[in-house]
Amino acid sequence: DTEVTQTPKHLVMGMTNKKSLKCEQHMGHRAMYWYKQKAKKPPELMFVYSYEKLSINESVPSRFSPECPNSSLLNLHLHALQPEDSALYLCASSATGRTNLMNTEAFFGQGTRLTVV
Amino acid sequence: KNQVEQSPQSLIILEGKNCTLQCNYTVSPFSNLRWYKQDTGRGPVSLTIMTFSENTKSNGRYTATLDADTKQSSLHITASQLSDSASYICVARGSTLGRLYFGRGTQLTVWP
Repeated sequence: DTEVTQTPKHLVMGMTNKKSLKCEQHMGHRAMYWYKQKAKKPPELMFVYSYEKLSINESVPSRFSPECPNSSLLNLHLHALQPEDSALYLCASSATGRTNLMNTEAFFGQGTRLTVV
Repeated sequence: KNQVEQSPQSLIILEGKNCTLQCNYTVSPFSNLRWYKQDTGRGPVSLTIMTFSENTKSNGRYTATLDADTKQSSLHITASQLSDSASYICVARGSTLGRLYFGRGTQLTVWP
């Protein structure tokens, strides 16, 4: 199983709503990532979890709150978002630096298309 | 500064023709480089991965090259098909925390 599964595929939410994006992988990867991608732009790194601990936060606003409850799951909790937060949110996973990085591959999910109204 | 630059920004070719996409990177320390294909509104799908010790790697109609001395990579697509229309993204992976550095992508359009 080389899949990273993201749910939901599409999400429309109001600026006062609270919602969560979910990501799951069963490849034994201990590094998981959240990226934000606007149209016609490359993905931008938001958060990195390594061994269930937050290792990188790219100065993301606090209205985005990541959570890694176990080694297979990664959540992104959303609260009080703005319309400019509308984007494709991608989850990825990979092996970590404690294994051979030479051939490590980052696997991406299909993304959640988020629209904030 | 760790960067990945891709060219051309966009490319239109006729079905059946070949094309080559370019990627220059300045990521250091460098772990590997991967080419992804991304359809609009979907997640990137890996085409091939290159480490600094590899020069060429093929995956069907896709052939990637890597010159670790000049920090350049290319992706050659042969006998293009309509389904090849997508954005092709070059991603260099750093050795520190495995951070990924993305190029802006080349938007390829294949016309019948």
